Amino acid sequence: AQSVTQLDSHVSVSEGTPVLLRCNYSSSYSPSLFWYVQHPNKGLQLLLKYTSAATLVKGINGFEAEFKKSETSFHLTKPSAHMSDAAEYFCVVSSRGGNTGKLIFGQGTTLQVKP
Amino acid sequence: DAGITQSPRHKVTETGTPVTLRCHQTENHRYMYWYRQDPGHGLRLIHYSYGVKDTDKGEVSDGYSVSRSKTEDFLLTLESATSSQTSVYFCAISEMVGAGQETQYFGPGTRLLVL
Repeated sequence: AQSVTQLDSHVSVSEGTPVLLRCNYSSSYSPSLFWYVQHPNKGLQLLLKYTSAATLVKGINGFEAEFKKSETSFHLTKPSAHMSDAAEYFCVVSSRGGNTGKLIFGQGTTLQVKP
Repeated sequence: DAGITQSPRHKVTETGTPVTLRCHQTENHRYMYWYRQDPGHGLRLIHYSYGVKDTDKGEVSDGYSVSRSKTEDFLLTLESATSSQTSVYFCAISEMVGAGQETQYFGPGTRLLVL
């Protein structure tokens, strides 16, 4: 079975400082992994995805994530936080059973960016 | 942005009444999904569709039914709404499933309050 754990429910950083949102996954095969962002009262937007190509994945708005199989991690980083990055972030793993494309969501990490 | 609309965007209803939420896509994608989002739970899959008239249950399907008579429309029905179904509902679409192709794109959401 596949699962995903976001290690922090809330992260607070100052504008201009680095962002690290942590995600560990469990999967019995090589998974596809995603990060989505949700701004207040909005839908979910895809930030980036890993699909067994390069282990360092670059996404939109300066975010990137590194797939580390040995650590079963897929942490999201950004060198310098911007006020507009304040949002909720979801780490997601795909579920391959039955060719349905089901996604398994983490519980989310709320990113607060202080001026 | 993916061409996904949801209607209504907000709804207040009373316990025991039927409610239908609509998801409409202009992308001609085969796969469509309904999720609910609740605090502390991330997104959970209610039902999904892998083609016209082809649907199946997700992890939280009790109390919900779906229909898909056209590629572009996926309806979610609460036969008799309960307060536990107060939530934000998201529709998602996916063109394909399989290794590296599970990317889902989300609609703006519907806020449902059951009194």
